[in-house]
Amino acid sequence: GEDVEQSLFLSVREGDSSVINCTYTDSSSTYLYWYKQEPGAGLQLLTYIFSNMDMKQDQRLTVLLNKKDKHLSLRIADTQTGDSAIYFCAESDDFQKLVFGTGTRLLVSP
Amino acid sequence: KAGVTQTPRYLIKTRGQQVTLSCSPISGHRSVSWYQQTPGQGLQFLFEYFSETQRNKGNFPGRFSGRQFSNSRSEMNVSTLELGDSALYLCASSPRGDRYGYTFGSGTRLTVV
Repeated sequence: GEDVEQSLFLSVREGDSSVINCTYTDSSSTYLYWYKQEPGAGLQLLTYIFSNMDMKQDQRLTVLLNKKDKHLSLRIADTQTGDSAIYFCAESDDFQKLVFGTGTRLLVSP
Repeated sequence: KAGVTQTPRYLIKTRGQQVTLSCSPISGHRSVSWYQQTPGQGLQFLFEYFSETQRNKGNFPGRFSGRQFSNSRSEMNVSTLELGDSALYLCASSPRGDRYGYTFGSGTRLTVV
């Protein structure tokens, strides 16, 4: 079955880069997403990448996809305290149903 | 442009009761999905509707049901509530349920006592 795994916690200093990692098992995963959840809020779509891509850059965000190893990463450049949140990786093969990872709690200290 | 609106924000129900949650998608969005978020199980897909038809369903018991109206608004219903149904229920909408992802609402926090 489908499974998406993430490390639970990441702590960085303001101004550093953050790298959040995700692995998935479904080889038919065609669409991969990163969502951000702040306390008391829903999920905010940050970026997405399709399986025929290796990399996608969107302002401070860089997504890398290693399809062979089923590994996805999200790099946040110049991390700010406002980036503190839970980050979810999600995969889909039909884009209607998302399978989410456990979420990585990012803590950015001044 | 208004976002995805979920009502109510908070709800407390007693075991055995039933509950209906409401979701108004972004104007023009025809696909609506529902997710359950709990500390133990994380985010789990419940179902997806497009133009009043359920296209996809997650692995939840029949006590969980939903529907979508002609104006794309959606409701989900949980009957015979159990303590384990306590969760944040998130609704998300998309123009067509396509590759570009969904916009989520802030959720309804359901507590079953």
